[in-house]
Amino acid sequence: AQSVAQPEDQVNVAEGNPLTVKCTYSVSGNPYLFWYVQYPNRGLQFLLKYITGDNLVKGSYGFEAEFNKSQTSFHLKKPSALVSDSALYFCAVRLYNFNKFYFGSGTKLNVKP
Amino acid sequence: DVKVTQSSRYLVKRTGEKVFLECVQDMDHENMFWYRQDPGLGLRLIYFSYDVKMKEKGDIPEGYSVSREKKERFSLILESASTNQTSMYLCASRSLTSGGAETQYFGPGTRLLVL
Repeated sequence: AQSVAQPEDQVNVAEGNPLTVKCTYSVSGNPYLFWYVQYPNRGLQFLLKYITGDNLVKGSYGFEAEFNKSQTSFHLKKPSALVSDSALYFCAVRLYNFNKFYFGSGTKLNVKP
Repeated sequence: DVKVTQSSRYLVKRTGEKVFLECVQDMDHENMFWYRQDPGLGLRLIYFSYDVKMKEKGDIPEGYSVSREKKERFSLILESASTNQTSMYLCASRSLTSGGAETQYFGPGTRLLVL
């Protein structure tokens, strides 16, 4: 069975510090990996995706993520956090040639001034 | 820009009522999805549709049905609402034109309360 794990329910970081939101996955095949962000009372917005090629993917709002095949991880990172980055972040995986996306349980990011 | 709209942002219904949630996308996407979002559980797929009149059950279809009569519109139906269907419902759509690499685009969500 395919699954996605976000081991931290919440991540707290001070503004200006680097942030990492963790994601690991378990799939039987080659994955497409995605990160989404959800602001309060809103739908999910696409941040970035890994399909193939360079393991470091850059996305919206200065976020990036690193695909690590051996550790089956796709952690989201940002060098310098902003208070406005505070939101709920979801990792998702999809297999090539399948329509279904599998989502993690979400990580709430709190950036304090 | 892709736009996915949902008919209601907030909805309050009574147990046993039939509930319709509507979703419309304006980008001619083939795939459309209905999820429910609950704290600590992330997003769980209820149903998806890969084209008009085509549907497939997701992970939690019990108590729900769907309808896709036109490409742009995907409806979620709660035949007889129950309190355990109180949740945030998210609709999404996706194009198939990018060789499978395309992301999903989400609507703003409908927060449903069943009393």
